Amino acid sequence: GEDVEQSLFLSVREGDSSVINCTYTDSSSTYLYWYKQEPGAGLQLLTYIFSNMDMKQDQRLTVLLNKKDKHLSLRIADTQTGDSAIYFCAEITDSWGKLQFGAGTQVVVTP
Amino acid sequence: DTGVSQNPRHKITKRGQNVTFRCDPISEHNRLYWYRQTLGQGPEFLTYFQNEAQLEKSRLLSDRFSAERPKGSFSTLEIQRTEQGDSAMYLCASSLAGLAGGQETQYFGPGTRLLVL
Repeated sequence: GEDVEQSLFLSVREGDSSVINCTYTDSSSTYLYWYKQEPGAGLQLLTYIFSNMDMKQDQRLTVLLNKKDKHLSLRIADTQTGDSAIYFCAEITDSWGKLQFGAGTQVVVTP
Repeated sequence: DTGVSQNPRHKITKRGQNVTFRCDPISEHNRLYWYRQTLGQGPEFLTYFQNEAQLEKSRLLSDRFSAERPKGSFSTLEIQRTEQGDSAMYLCASSLAGLAGGQETQYFGPGTRLLVL
């Protein structure tokens, strides 16, 4: 995922907010996604945002998109121990829906 | 459960052997994708199908790799003469592409973890 960059690690206390950041390079990306991966499991879609939106909120999740800076963030409110996982940001890179992923951010939630 | 399923979940093989993985997508989905994920990395695109047609292959997919989706439903990914560098998680995803375009969510299976000794 060299075209999509994420910080590798985030530690957060239970109950606090987590913010995971991502930068992407393809300005023609139409949709940007956040996936969650727990150990030994496949990827679970959390949320997505269309490129003409600035923000999307879905329960505890808030996605912010700064298209000018090609910056995407995911905020998790009231982080729980069950939120401990690796979070991947991904962009669609062609009309066939091929996804380009970042290397993932490992989020560790401490009591 | 009508999600994407993959078999086997784990495979250990010796270098030089052939292996085959199967993916069963969500039943009405017309697109199917294969990705490979190595430790500490995000998934990397390998190939994808629209119905039974294989439309794109990544340069990661060497001649030892072949994928099929014979009836536009399940897909198989075969690796011939496996090498230690093939050790990875192989993920399958499916989606429903509409005629008018628009957002198309890829749903992932649990993956097949391959270890080549």
